[in-house]
Amino acid sequence: LAKTTQPISMDSYEGQEVNITCSHNNIATNDYITWYQQFPSQGPRFIIQGYKTKVTNEVASLFIPADRKSSTLSLPRVSLSDTAVYYCLVGALSGGYQKVTFGTGTKLQVIP
Amino acid sequence: GAVVSQHPSWVICKSGTSVKIECRSLDFQATTMFWYRQFPKQSLMLMATSNEGSKATYEQGVEKDKFLINHASLTLSTLTVTSAHPEDSSFYICSARGLAGDQETQYFGPGTRLLVL
Repeated sequence: LAKTTQPISMDSYEGQEVNITCSHNNIATNDYITWYQQFPSQGPRFIIQGYKTKVTNEVASLFIPADRKSSTLSLPRVSLSDTAVYYCLVGALSGGYQKVTFGTGTKLQVIP
Repeated sequence: GAVVSQHPSWVICKSGTSVKIECRSLDFQATTMFWYRQFPKQSLMLMATSNEGSKATYEQGVEKDKFLINHASLTLSTLTVTSAHPEDSSFYICSARGLAGDQETQYFGPGTRLLVL
């Protein structure tokens, strides 16, 4: 299982772009990278998933360099409601199951 | 995206009783479901992996006789905490693998808060 490393916490002012980087040095060839957001007393919410290069959806972008040993979640113009814990997960998703374990996550605090 | 529900959302019980938590995939079939436990200010810890029609695979240190998991259908998995004790008080979260557009990923339920008195 690929282990992930993220900063424990980050602060950002409202309206700024936030980039959270995750290291996964031993990512396997068939592993995908998935980011989740979790608010207190709620289950994690899917944000974005990718395999390589760049993926963008309506809420975030995910940048993955060619060696795939790291990834960066980019949140454009954060608001106070984006204060949460963000988890980066790595695992294979097809061809049978692959259990996914959580790292420490990054606690993002958005400041007014 | 795919929706996973849990019931109940919270439960308070007396020490020694058993508690059943249901996890359902509402709009997709999930051959594999996962159960996690989360203590305050900590990350999610994987307890077990549940495959439809077969026995669950438990993580090291998780007592299979205490945390009974049943995955009887492609849309339902249950976790029963048997003879619950105060140290079992935690936030229990299930997840299921499903499709988001053309990508398969893991979706999480809203969690169940268990308080054992």
